[in-house]
Amino acid sequence: DAKTTQPPSMDCAEGRAANLPCNHSTISGNEYVYWYRQIHSQGPQYIIHGLKNNETNEMASLIITEDRKSSTLILPHATLRDTAVYYCIADGSSNTGKLIFGQGTTLQVKP
Amino acid sequence: EPEVTQTPSHQVTQMGQEVILRCVPISNHLYFYWYRQILGQKVEFLVSFYNNEISEKSEIFDDQFSVERPDGSNFTLKIRSTKLEDSAMYFCASSEQATAYGYTFGSGTRLTVV
Repeated sequence: DAKTTQPPSMDCAEGRAANLPCNHSTISGNEYVYWYRQIHSQGPQYIIHGLKNNETNEMASLIITEDRKSSTLILPHATLRDTAVYYCIADGSSNTGKLIFGQGTTLQVKP
Repeated sequence: EPEVTQTPSHQVTQMGQEVILRCVPISNHLYFYWYRQILGQKVEFLVSFYNNEISEKSEIFDDQFSVERPDGSNFTLKIRSTKLEDSAMYFCASSEQATAYGYTFGSGTRLTVV
């Protein structure tokens, strides 16, 4: 699995976009980038994933650089309920669905 | 929305005792997982299970641990003789396919070994 690097913490004002970066400079061609989040010791929650193209769903957008060495998760209008630890995972080699979590970024959304 | 249900939400046990953590995965999911998170640390993979057998396990998942799908709905994690360092949140998860997306995690069982 590719190693990912994320800032340990970030703040965001409520209603503003939250942009969470992730560096995965050793990612290989068949490895996807996945984002999960964990709200206050609850079970992690899947957000979005992508390979090369930018992706958008009802929760977030994922922007992947052309060289695929980094990506940004965008929460377009952050709310207080988006306060959580966000995990960026680069994976693709396992055929058992195993997830390798790092330390993630703690996002604090402030009023 | 379908959920993964874990029981109990909190269990306290004495060191050396056996514990069984229970999970009801989403009904049409075929892949099942256990993860744990020691307080203040990252989420760690324990084991994946498919077609009634373990498909992958981590170094943490030693002989003290076992998993079982005793009937068509439950998925259990047994710790044979608990140690203090087994105290953690244990999360069950299930997915339709063996991919890293589309997982649904349960809300966890907090195990406290005293």
